[in-house]
Amino acid sequence: EVQLVESGGGLVQPGRSLRLSCAASGFTFDDYAMHWVRQAPGKGLEWVSGISWNSGSIGYADSVKGRFTISRDNAKNSLYLQMNSLRAEDTALYYCAKGPRGGIAVAGDYFDYWGQGTLVTVSS
Amino acid sequence: DIQMTQSPSSVSASVGDRVTITCRASQGISSWLAWYQQKPGKAPKLLIYAASSLQSGVPSRFSGSGSGTDFTLTISSLQPEDFATYYCQQANSFSYTFGQGTKLEIK
Repeated sequence: EVQLVESGGGLVQPGRSLRLSCAASGFTFDDYAMHWVRQAPGKGLEWVSGISWNSGSIGYADSVKGRFTISRDNAKNSLYLQMNSLRAEDTALYYCAKGPRGGIAVAGDYFDYWGQGTLVTVSS
Repeated sequence: DIQMTQSPSSVSASVGDRVTITCRASQGISSWLAWYQQKPGKAPKLLIYAASSLQSGVPSRFSGSGSGTDFTLTISSLQPEDFATYYCQQANSFSYTFGQGTKLEIK
């Protein structure tokens, strides 16, 4: 059974940093692309970032480019999101999601499994 | 970026009804569309990919169709567990975008 378990969320002041983690199990982690998708309270879904199976291809939403960094450790079956210069508008539930193949940004890509999310609140 | 627009934003229906939700892309995306179901307090769940392919384990009362810019998600006979919010999503060239969601409520 595929399991994705996020951690690292919390309350942080504007301008500060936070690092999210996602522990994966139940599938061959290093065969698949992974993503972060967020959902602001009461709002819709927004893709944040994705990383290919070997970290060779990485993408970011314009809203986080230059502030967030995605990475993965295939030896630890883990995905990470380093979030710097946080803003109030980054407040959201952050989901870790698995892609159906190794690459990202492929036409027709989607997210076949999701974790339960970790909440990030940016407020003074 | 390609924009995705869903309609309606909300719909009320009864158990046993047939319901159709529409998603329109701002430019052609071939058949590269996915649909998700999200229940309150839960993560989204993949229902349909490639416009019409049913994800493993998803009941056959769910179906998807369309290509180019216009797509539909149809639930043939609503069950109590189907009341949720539904999102469409497209992906191309480092751009992944979702529709704003359609909330399916009990009449």
